[in-house]
Amino acid sequence: DAGVIQSPRHEVTEMGQEVTLRCKPISGHDYLFWYRQTMMRGLELLIYFNNNVPIDDSGMPEDRFSAKMPNASFSTLKIQPSEPRDSAVYFCASSLGGGGDTQYFGPGTRLTVL
Amino acid sequence: GNSVTQMEGPVTLSEEAFLTINCTYTATGYPSLFWYVQYPGEGLQLLLKATKADDKGSNKGFEATYRKETTSFHLEKGSVQVSDSAVYFCALYNQGGKLIFGQGTELSVKP
Repeated sequence: DAGVIQSPRHEVTEMGQEVTLRCKPISGHDYLFWYRQTMMRGLELLIYFNNNVPIDDSGMPEDRFSAKMPNASFSTLKIQPSEPRDSAVYFCASSLGGGGDTQYFGPGTRLTVL
Repeated sequence: GNSVTQMEGPVTLSEEAFLTINCTYTATGYPSLFWYVQYPGEGLQLLLKATKADDKGSNKGFEATYRKETTSFHLEKGSVQVSDSAVYFCALYNQGGKLIFGQGTELSVKP
């Protein structure tokens, strides 16, 4: 299996622009997670899906962030408009089941907002 | 609520030294406990886990024992290698909740 695939790997954008991050989970995994990692705040769970349905989005920082999962093999995290404080590494992870099942992380997208 | 506290890094060791990274947790009931590792430029990957008290998780020479009496899950390795240089995350899962990660501990192993 190819593992969790994320694109792009690096994104540099100007403040105010829309940013879309993409994720393809491992085939057959029912859960998908979006995390953000920064030096200041560590690893934060933003949102997770079960069978394409958002279950908990309490970690989404504000309305500028939105996430969708239109089908079992694709998810997007969108930031509109982007701000410099959104600069971080964004990880997508998937797991077969919920709870304590092993989460498999993608390589991450390093976002820089100028 | 649920929380995980790890020792602050960075931890710098010489090759073949003994490693301990402390992890304590706060949770109700009986959580499952995990160690994830993040190598430079990569995502996290599961290193080991334990699902009940007194269980020992082990992998790649690393070990951690679930100690309910001290609410701890310390990571140990008898002889570290340069290739073990990474960031290590302790995490817990409690029923109906999310995976809760600690802040991570950076390990640097010098030849």
